[in-house]
Formats: sequence, structure tokens, C-alpha cells
Amino acid sequence: QSALTQPASVSGSPGQPITISCSGTSSDIGGYDYVSWYQQHPGKAPKLMIYDVINRPSGVSSRFSGSKSGNTASLTISGLQAEDEADYYCSSYTSSTPVVFGGGTKLTVL
Amino acid sequence: QVTLKESGPALVKPTQTLTLTCTFSGFSLSTRATRVSWIRQPPGKALEWLARIDWDDDKFYSTSLKTRLTISKDTSKNQVVLILTNMDPVDTATYYCARMAGPGAFDIWGQGTMVTVSS
Repeated sequence: QSALTQPASVSGSPGQPITISCSGTSSDIGGYDYVSWYQQHPGKAPKLMIYDVINRPSGVSSRFSGSKSGNTASLTISGLQAEDEADYYCSSYTSSTPVVFGGGTKLTVL
Repeated sequence: QVTLKESGPALVKPTQTLTLTCTFSGFSLSTRATRVSWIRQPPGKALEWLARIDWDDDKFYSTSLKTRLTISKDTSKNQVVLILTNMDPVDTATYYCARMAGPGAFDIWGQGTMVTVSS
């Protein structure tokens, strides 16, 4: 199962919105509504930010939102803040192995 | 409060077998629809899913590592064990265990344990 495709890096200024894409196939993202997004700060464990494409766990800021169109999922952060600077990973349920991750995107807040 | 914590050796030699233990609290692996996975992350690289065990003892493995991995659980001890045989320097990584919320999301993660493979 190949990893999902994410941009290596994205950047934005405080207060601006950014979107991170995650591309897969009909065997993963396109076939199931089980896409998740994780935030990882340096030296820390990943933190679940979005699950089942659009849902936010309790305690996650409403500035984070998820969506999906076809074989591509997206994470949008509105109103960027300095503490949003981190690595972000997408994952999806797949028809072959239970889960596949994306390659990760480094978000820089300018 | 749900917590998970990984334990195991920090250093293993090439060809040796790695045994990692995930000790958790705040939930039971005998409860229907409960699942625990292992995920690893080489230094500076992406997350890689390794294996999953379910409440009913169903087990799933990464296709690329299937021949080297074994996952098991001890419900009475609230533990999940991962065994990875024939260790190689490319297996150097931080190994995480995580509870799964549904089939595709990891809602609670352990702190991770760093394993270095070197002679």
C-alpha cells in the first residue's frame, strides 16, 4: 500500500487560512469516509485533529476543519496562529491494510 | 483517563528480535470495537503503521513487514506486545502504540519509545 501524497511544506502568515492536501486512490481516501489528520510538534507524539473526514475531537479548535472530494482530502486551518506550526499527517482506512499514512507536511507560520 | 505507554529496549543489535510492550489504562481490550495499533517513525521521517489487534483477537499487519511482525494482547494485564524479528538499522525509529477510535483514527497515543539498531 503506497503512502498518501502530501505537499512537503506549506506556509502562511498569522491570521491567514491555509489548506493541506492529501491525495490517495479509490482504494483508500476515495472509497471510505475514514480520513484522519494529526498534528505533531517536534519531539511529541501525534495528536488527532480530525477524524472521519470532517469530525473534530473534543478540545480541538474550530479553526481546524476537514473535507474530501474524490480521492483527495484536505485540512484547512483558518486564522493561523504561531502554535499551529508543526508537522501534519493525514491517514486513511484502506481496502488492503487497515491504515495508510501520508508523507507529512511541515507547516511554517511566517 | 485513557493512557498508553510503550516500553522496551532502547538499543538492539542487527539480526536481533525486538519486543515492545504497550501498557494501557482507562479502557479494556475486551470491550467490543476496541482496537490498538503500533506505529513507528524513523528520525525525521513519516509515520508508518505496523500492526493492529482488536478486542476479538483479530490481527492485521503491514504488508511490507508482515513476515517479521507479531502482535498479541494480554487483556488481564492491559498490555499489547509487538515483536519484530531480524532487526536492521533501517528499523531505527520511535515506536508508538495508539488506541483506535473506529477503523481509521488513532485518538490516544503513547509517548513513544526510541529504538536504535546498531552493532
